[in-house]
Amino acid sequence: DAKTTQPNSMESNEEEPVHLPCNHSTISGTDYIHWYRQLPSQGPEYVIHGLTSNVNNRMASLAIAEDRKSSTLILHRATLRDAAVYYCILRDVGGAQKLVFGQGTRLTINP
Amino acid sequence: GAGVSQSPSNKVTEKGKDVELRCDPISGHTALYWYRQSLGQGLEFLIYFQGNSAPDKSGLPSDRFSAERTGGSVSTLTIQRTQQEDSAVYLCASTYPSTSVWETQYFGPGTRLLVL
Repeated sequence: DAKTTQPNSMESNEEEPVHLPCNHSTISGTDYIHWYRQLPSQGPEYVIHGLTSNVNNRMASLAIAEDRKSSTLILHRATLRDAAVYYCILRDVGGAQKLVFGQGTRLTINP
Repeated sequence: GAGVSQSPSNKVTEKGKDVELRCDPISGHTALYWYRQSLGQGLEFLIYFQGNSAPDKSGLPSDRFSAERTGGSVSTLTIQRTQQEDSAVYLCASTYPSTSVWETQYFGPGTRLLVL
């Protein structure tokens, strides 16, 4: 699977938007971009995924650059519960089913 | 509905002892994964079961590690002759279906293993 690069940590304030970047300059045409997050003392949970177009769901939005070499996870109004480690993961449509986690971004939310 | 459950939540063992960790996937999920999260190593894949197919064992770190999935449901991860470096959180995930790259993996809360 192609590699992703994320900042080690980010900090934001409650009720403000948060933009979590992910670089994936070696992404292939068949790689899907997935985001998972891991709340303290819990297993990871799915957030969102996309291929080329921007995606929205109840948890977040995913903005994908036109050249697909980067993407941004957007939390529109952060809450304290959004404090977690966020992982950006590429998954090849023809590749293995396992998730390959990087180090992720540790997001801190200030009250 | 019920999510993925794992037991025990915590396990403390002595070096050299064998341990068994259990995972109950979400009912109807055909695929099951084990991952390990060590301090400083991040989350790493261990093994993957899909239906009656041969498991993908490519992530098992040594032959001391083995896993079974009985009846296509419950799975047990066994670590023989535990070492201190086996200390980690062992996470189980399940999904259905498994043939799609966009399927969501649902994780359990993990078993925290400490080898003294």
